[in-house]
Amino acid sequence: KNEVEQSPQNLTAQEGEFITINCSYSVGISALHWLQQHPGGGIVSLFMLSSGKKKHGRLIATINIQEKHSSLHITASHPRDSAVYICAVSSEETSGSRLTFGEGTQLTVNP
Amino acid sequence: SAVISQKPSRDICQRGTSLTIQCQVDSQVTMMFWYRQQPGQSLTLIATANQGSEATYESGFVIDKFPISRPNLTFSTLTVSNMSPEDSSIYLCSVGPWADTQYFGPGTRLTVL
Repeated sequence: KNEVEQSPQNLTAQEGEFITINCSYSVGISALHWLQQHPGGGIVSLFMLSSGKKKHGRLIATINIQEKHSSLHITASHPRDSAVYICAVSSEETSGSRLTFGEGTQLTVNP
Repeated sequence: SAVISQKPSRDICQRGTSLTIQCQVDSQVTMMFWYRQQPGQSLTLIATANQGSEATYESGFVIDKFPISRPNLTFSTLTVSNMSPEDSSIYLCSVGPWADTQYFGPGTRLTVL
């Protein structure tokens, strides 16, 4: 069993839909990251959170430490949101900067 | 913030040869991380490179195959040695987190024939 699991693996939505991507982890963490990877391969950090909720534009990330679960929400989705979304955690037991990654969720938003 | 550049951006190499990938950061950093992303897979940490000490390798990765240099606080190299087609991947360096942000280089896309 992977330390970090994401669902769904693939998600197709129509423009304007509300999207949720889930991440569950099995280790104690110091922080959880949500990352976005575009087809060219570049990776952008969206959020780093250790508790509660963060919002940036149309993106919202939440984390429940007790349940070891995080969600990434996209409101009013747009075709430019099409990318792979990756959840990653930094373990309490290792360096806070060392990340373990989920498999990623391929999101396609159709116009 | 940090801006990371990598060279080369992509390469096609023959089996049995070696390729050195360079990672340059515009700020001084203690730790730099090298990741591999095989086709269709997520990222896997290869090693952590600290300036002034030997790199720390993850399980399944060895120094003979992936030697790393860290000559100063802004630069690191990763060499992929004696390459085989299984080494075809995107290789990325990363630093952070700073101000709640993890920074990644643009990646080096390697194809081994």
